[in-house]
Amino acid sequence: EAQVTQNPRYLITVTGKKLTVTCSQNMNHEYMSWYRQDPGLGLRQIYYSMNVEVTDKGDVPEGYKVSRKEKRNFPLILESPSPNQTSLYFCASRDRDNQPQHFGDGTRLSIL
Amino acid sequence: DAKTTQPNSMESNEEEPVHLPCNHSTISGTDYIHWYRQLPSQGPEYVIHGLTSNVNNRMASLAIAEDRKSSTLILHRATLRDAAVYYCILRDIGYSGAGSYQLTFGKGTKLSVIP
Repeated sequence: EAQVTQNPRYLITVTGKKLTVTCSQNMNHEYMSWYRQDPGLGLRQIYYSMNVEVTDKGDVPEGYKVSRKEKRNFPLILESPSPNQTSLYFCASRDRDNQPQHFGDGTRLSIL
Repeated sequence: DAKTTQPNSMESNEEEPVHLPCNHSTISGTDYIHWYRQLPSQGPEYVIHGLTSNVNNRMASLAIAEDRKSSTLILHRATLRDAAVYYCILRDIGYSGAGSYQLTFGKGTKLSVIP
């Protein structure tokens, strides 16, 4: 089954404790991206990747890092999480430029 | 990406057709119109997309105005499972810069389905 898998689905942690949210897709897609969703602000793109070792900033990249060492994986790294990064995060992937995006089920992060 | 305007919310009775409008008056010739929906507690889900002609798939139909400044997503028989936020998004396939990799979601239309 084609899917985008995120882990963990839920995480409560404290300010400053580094965390990584993993994202994996099994569709051999070139493009992957991370979004955060906040009430009243909708979905905003954090980072995206056009292919292995090629990443770029989205609309709200501050406080986040990403890497794309393999085509299937695109982890989101919070080196020093802060409470304003409490949010619902989605990973997505797609094939060629105009193809539909496939989204994961989301990761709810709470930073205390 | 060009901007879209959608109503904040709509209601429909179960098993009746639903017409979800989207205005995109600044659409360019290379903008595709994409629709996604987000069910409660889930990630966004692709629904349909088109350029100029009307499109049909198993989920919905997309009716595009002749001047392309507006479009309508049609759910032929609403079910309770169709209750979701529906997003209308423009994707410029002709733009080769960094922006072409972004998918800008607005606030969408929250569809409620009444049993």
